[in-house]
Amino acid sequence: SQQGEEDPQALSIQEGENATMNCSYKTSINNLQWYRQNSGRGLVHLILIRSNEREKHSGRLRVTLDTSKKSSSLLITASRAADTASYFCATAPREKLVFGKGTKLTVNP
Amino acid sequence: GAGVSQTPSNKVTEKGKYVELRCDPISGHTALYWYRQSLGQGPEFLIYFQGTGAADDSGLPNDRFFAVRPEGSVSTLKIQRTERGDSAVYLCASSYLIGNEQFFGPGTRLTVL
Repeated sequence: SQQGEEDPQALSIQEGENATMNCSYKTSINNLQWYRQNSGRGLVHLILIRSNEREKHSGRLRVTLDTSKKSSSLLITASRAADTASYFCATAPREKLVFGKGTKLTVNP
Repeated sequence: GAGVSQTPSNKVTEKGKYVELRCDPISGHTALYWYRQSLGQGPEFLIYFQGTGAADDSGLPNDRFFAVRPEGSVSTLKIQRTERGDSAVYLCASSYLIGNEQFFGPGTRLTVL
């Protein structure tokens, strides 16, 4: 079963705009990870945020975590056409990852 | 190689046949995971290994599915008597330690005709 729910399911923006994706989950977690997937194949790890962290940055990515609301957000700033992909949040209640269905992001040039 | 590799990249088989999917994790990674992804869905956990032993196989859908990691490195996912519903992309991931970020391979696309 899939625990995480990404919102929105699809997002279309213009190059240069910011993209925000949200993730909600149900059970307590050790950490939450965000992944990108192009063309339905390999998943690329973007960022890991632990349950005792509230915010984390990596380049143009900013991730927040609110464990009281069981939610996380991924912000991509100054988006590029190459950011077009599906983005998944994955929670780690224990060792295995539980993925949502993903947000399909399209960045139009 | 630097990343997780999986072979074959594509596998087409007939219903009822046996298939083996191989995963080579990143060198030095102790944990290895198998996931399955159907079209339009996120990956779903199948099984993970810590070293040679299967630490959690709760995601295997039924006893037609089996995985091994005999020397604590390469792993093979084995599917007996394949069914059309087994068609999916099978993803392998590894991590240095349990709880660290998982690095995924490119996947094997299995098609059961």
